[in-house]
Amino acid sequence: KAGVTQTPRYLIKTRGQQVTLSCSPISGHRSVSWYQQTPGQGLQFLFEYFSETQRNKGNFPGRFSGRQFSNSRSEMNVSTLELGDSALYLCASRWTDSYEQYFGPGTRLTVT
Amino acid sequence: SQQGEEDPQALSIQEGENATMNCSYKTSINNLQWYRQNSGRGLVHLILIRSNEREKHSGRLRVTLDTSKKSSSLLITASRAADTASYFCAPSPGGGADGLTFGKGTHLIIQP
Repeated sequence: KAGVTQTPRYLIKTRGQQVTLSCSPISGHRSVSWYQQTPGQGLQFLFEYFSETQRNKGNFPGRFSGRQFSNSRSEMNVSTLELGDSALYLCASRWTDSYEQYFGPGTRLTVT
Repeated sequence: SQQGEEDPQALSIQEGENATMNCSYKTSINNLQWYRQNSGRGLVHLILIRSNEREKHSGRLRVTLDTSKKSSSLLITASRAADTASYFCAPSPGGGADGLTFGKGTHLIIQP
C-alpha cells in the first residue's frame, strides 16, 4: 500500500509570496493533519481535516490555511511568507477510528 | 491537544545497551503515543498506550504509563545503530478531533 505522499519535497520562496503544499493520504484514510517542524519550536500541530471539514486547529496565524478535497487529498496554503515560516511541513493521515498517524516525508520550505 | 516533554534532550549509549527516555505531560489523557524520526524513514509511529494500561511491549520496546504522575517512559532494549533517531511522545486527550503536539524530543545516538 502506498504511503502518504507530499509534493513538492523542496521549495524555495521569497518573503511576501504565498505557497501551496499538497498531501495525498493513504488510501482509505479520511483524516489528514498538518504539522510544522522547526529546530526552535519542534513539531507543532497546524490543523486537521476530516471529510473536507476542519476539525481542529493549532495556534497559528490566519496566514496558514488548508482544505481537503472529496478524495481526502489535502492542501495547505501559507500567504505572505515570512522568514520564520522556513520549516519542514509534515502531513499525516489516519484511519477514522485510530489514533495512530502515518506521516509523509515532508516538504522542506525555505523562505529567503 | 497538549504537549509532552521528553527527557533527556540527548542520550548517547553503546550498541547493545538499553536506552530509557521519559515523557511528562500536564493534563488528563486518553492515550499516549511514541514516535521516532530519523533521516531515512521520517516520522514513524512506534507504540500507543491507553490511559487504562500501565505497560505495553512491542518487540524491543517497552512503554510504561503512570497517570498519577502524568509520565511515561520508553525503554529500548539491546540497542542497535539503526535506533539512532529522535524520539517523541504525544499525549492525547482523545475525543476524536485532536491533533498531536510533540515536544522537542530525545535525540538518541547509538555508538558502535
